[in-house]
Amino acid sequence: EVQLVQSGGGLVQPGGSLRLSCAASGFTFSNYATSWVRQAPGKGLEWVSTISGAGGTTYYADSVKGRFIISRDNSKNTLYLQMNGLRAEDTAVYYCAKVPTRSGSYPYVDFWGQGTLVTVSS
Amino acid sequence: EVVLTQSPGTLSLSPGGRATLSCRASQSVTSNFLAWYQQKPGQAPRLLIYGASNRATVIPDRFSGSGSGTDFTLTISRLEPEDFAVYYCQQYGSSPWTFGQGTKVEIK
Repeated sequence: EVQLVQSGGGLVQPGGSLRLSCAASGFTFSNYATSWVRQAPGKGLEWVSTISGAGGTTYYADSVKGRFIISRDNSKNTLYLQMNGLRAEDTAVYYCAKVPTRSGSYPYVDFWGQGTLVTVSS
Repeated sequence: EVVLTQSPGTLSLSPGGRATLSCRASQSVTSNFLAWYQQKPGQAPRLLIYGASNRATVIPDRFSGSGSGTDFTLTISRLEPEDFAVYYCQQYGSSPWTFGQGTKVEIK
């Protein structure tokens, strides 16, 4: 059974940093790209970032480019999102997501994590 | 950027009814790379359809997707109580990959 278990959310001040983690199990982690998708309170879904299975290729939404860094440790079956320079508009539930291809070039999501809330406020 | 517009915003139907949800793209979706997701309150989304018309694993056959180019449709043939939720389309053919704003299917 595919499982994506997230951790690391919370309250952070504007300009601060936070790192999200996503521990994967039930599939060969390195064979699949993974993404982060977020959802602001009461709003729709927004794609944030994708990383290929091997970790060599990354993609970012313009809204987070230069501030967020996606990475993965295939030896630990874990995906990360390092968020720097956080802004109020980054407040959202962040979902870890499995992509059913290795490259991540055309990423839709076949499995989702449970979500973790990030609140940026003073 | 491909902008996806979903309509209607809210669909009020009775159990057993037929739901037709629309997703229109501002430009042609590459290779019809369009997915549909269902989201219930407090839960993560769930994949229903990929490639415009392919049902995901364990999705009941009352859910079907159709369309190509710029116009796509999700049809739920006979609404079950568990189908009342918000539905999102997503295009994944052109970066940045974008979602529609959602259609809420509510009980009439």
